Amino acid sequence: EAGVAQSPRYKIIEKRQSVAFWCNPISGHATLYWYQQILGQGPKLLIQFQNNGVVDDSQLPKDRFSAERLKGVDSTLKIQPAKLEDSAVYLCASSLHPGPNTGELFFGEGSRLTVL
Amino acid sequence: DAKTTQPNSMESNEEEPVHLPCNHSTISGTDYIHWYRQLPSQGPEYVIHGLTSNVNNRMASLAIAEDRKSSTLILHRATLRDAAVYYCILRAPSGSARQLTFGSGTQLTVLP
Repeated sequence: EAGVAQSPRYKIIEKRQSVAFWCNPISGHATLYWYQQILGQGPKLLIQFQNNGVVDDSQLPKDRFSAERLKGVDSTLKIQPAKLEDSAVYLCASSLHPGPNTGELFFGEGSRLTVL
Repeated sequence: DAKTTQPNSMESNEEEPVHLPCNHSTISGTDYIHWYRQLPSQGPEYVIHGLTSNVNNRMASLAIAEDRKSSTLILHRATLRDAAVYYCILRAPSGSARQLTFGSGTQLTVLP
């Protein structure tokens, strides 16, 4: 079974530039998540989708971050304009169900962003 | 959201059992206890979860205290590939992934 695919794996940009990350979840997984992981910290949830609807985006900095999940499959996360503190690994995860007893999350390898 | 407390780091010798503790004194009766681990340069990986009873799977065992205020992840025979950061998280029935905002976890070092 193919896992969660993310691209690009690495990206280096100047501050105030924009960047986009792409995620393809496991086939059939209705729930998709984007996490931000700053070096030395645990992952922090940015946004959760159920099919193509947003379930939770309370921790997404909406002045510069946006995410969409068209057709309930692939998703993109965009940062515009980037700040130095956005340097992190952006992890995408998916699950078959959102519940706590059956909703095991499968994570991709992440996209590492460096903002100079 | 209920909070978990884990030691920052632990060491184990290869092929010996490892007991990773987690305290969650404010757990509610319906919160599930989940464990994930993160190997270097990879995304987190699901390990095990439980509610009240002890659980076993191919990767590990989860021992849950009778009062549910603490739990222990048990790796029966540590290998070098088990060196990772282990996260203990509580998930409420609403299923919000906000509960899966991870803490700092326990860095497990396995010594050959």
